[in-house]
Amino acid sequence: EAGVVQSPRYKIIEKKQPVAFWCNPISGHNTLYWYLQNLGQGPELLIRYENEEAVDDSQLPKDRFSAERLKGVDSTLKIQPAELGDSAVYLCASSLNPYTEAFFGQGTRLTVV
Amino acid sequence: AQKITQTQPGMFVQEKEAVTLDCTYDTSDQSYGLFWYKQPSSGEMIFLIYQGSYDEQNATEGRYSLNFQKARKSANLVISASQLGDSAMYFCAMRYGNKLVFGAGTILRVKS
Repeated sequence: EAGVVQSPRYKIIEKKQPVAFWCNPISGHNTLYWYLQNLGQGPELLIRYENEEAVDDSQLPKDRFSAERLKGVDSTLKIQPAELGDSAVYLCASSLNPYTEAFFGQGTRLTVV
Repeated sequence: AQKITQTQPGMFVQEKEAVTLDCTYDTSDQSYGLFWYKQPSSGEMIFLIYQGSYDEQNATEGRYSLNFQKARKSANLVISASQLGDSAMYFCAMRYGNKLVFGAGTILRVKS
């Protein structure tokens, strides 16, 4: 069974440029999460989807971040414009439902220069 | 507020010995879940073990066991017979309601 797939693995962009990350969850998983992980810290939730509905986006900086999960399967997280402080690892995870264990992708390491 | 605390920034263990990684939590919810994840240098978060707040027995998965002490609000991870491949960052996480919150992590280094 394929795990959570994220792309790209690494991305380097200049500040003020846009960037997008893609996530394909495990087949059949209704819950999808995007987490932000700064160096040496634990992941912090940005947004959680139940199917195609964003049910918890309170930590998403909506002035520059946006996300979508069309058709309730794969998801895209976008930053526009990127700032130096956005440099981090962006992790996508999925689970059968919000009460079961989440499985993570390998993450996208973003560097903003 | 819900909170997860991992007080050990880093731990060393000799190969083949057991090691305990500490995790304490704070919640007023009666129903919650506790998870441990491993994050090697490759970056992927690997699910290790789960304990529900109503589970009476401590969870075990192979060499991993969770020492769940509800009254003390602790959920320590015990790794038996440590292997070099166990060197990684370990995160404790708590699910309360629909949220999954992570601690700051503990770096484990296994020495040969």
